[in-house]
Amino acid sequence: NAGVTQTPKFQVLKTGQSMTLQCAQDMNHNSMYWYRQDPGMGLRLIYYSASEGTTDKGEVPNGYNVSRLNKREFSLRLESAAPSQTSVYFCASRFNRNTEAFFGQGTRLTVV
Amino acid sequence: GQQVMQIPQYQHVQEGEDFTTYCNSSTTLSNIQWYKQRPGGHPVFLIQLVKSGEVKKQKRLTFQFGEAKKNSSLHITATQTTDVGTYFCAGGSGGADGLTFGKGTHLIIQP
Repeated sequence: NAGVTQTPKFQVLKTGQSMTLQCAQDMNHNSMYWYRQDPGMGLRLIYYSASEGTTDKGEVPNGYNVSRLNKREFSLRLESAAPSQTSVYFCASRFNRNTEAFFGQGTRLTVV
Repeated sequence: GQQVMQIPQYQHVQEGEDFTTYCNSSTTLSNIQWYKQRPGGHPVFLIQLVKSGEVKKQKRLTFQFGEAKKNSSLHITATQTTDVGTYFCAGGSGGADGLTFGKGTHLIIQP
């Protein structure tokens, strides 16, 4: 049971490049989330998906897009990376709003 | 998701001292969850509180949910170096499923 798997673990991008962060969970969870974590800012919600086929904006969605490919997978895309998107990104999932969330190991992204 | 304010942002304690972090919401919460993140790690679930006035204990950790379900606290008795990390709360609401966190309290322990 792998839990929540994120790839890649580290990435360096040049300004303007695009990339997709992948997230997959094997716990049959309905809800999936993407966060960014910056020093002093805590965990800020970018986008979430309450169920397969739905996505909603969180606190800081600008500059990002998401796809809930199927129940297992929820990807985060940066179309044109900016230095302000340098951060640690976490994916999380949970069965529903009354259950605990499980987090992936994180992706450390640097945009130069 | 429900916005919650968490204080303090940083807390320095001597090993063996107690530690408390607080979460406050302006609206009534349906539940509150607490997570711990070790330095360099990812957040890990600690506990969920659901009932008004609920108190739960995990060894040296005591979690409380206020009577009005608008605030919560995490208290650690006799801190140890293994307690180092950031503690986050996340307040649940009856609405959308966005899981939003407080900014967290960084616990720093001086031996």
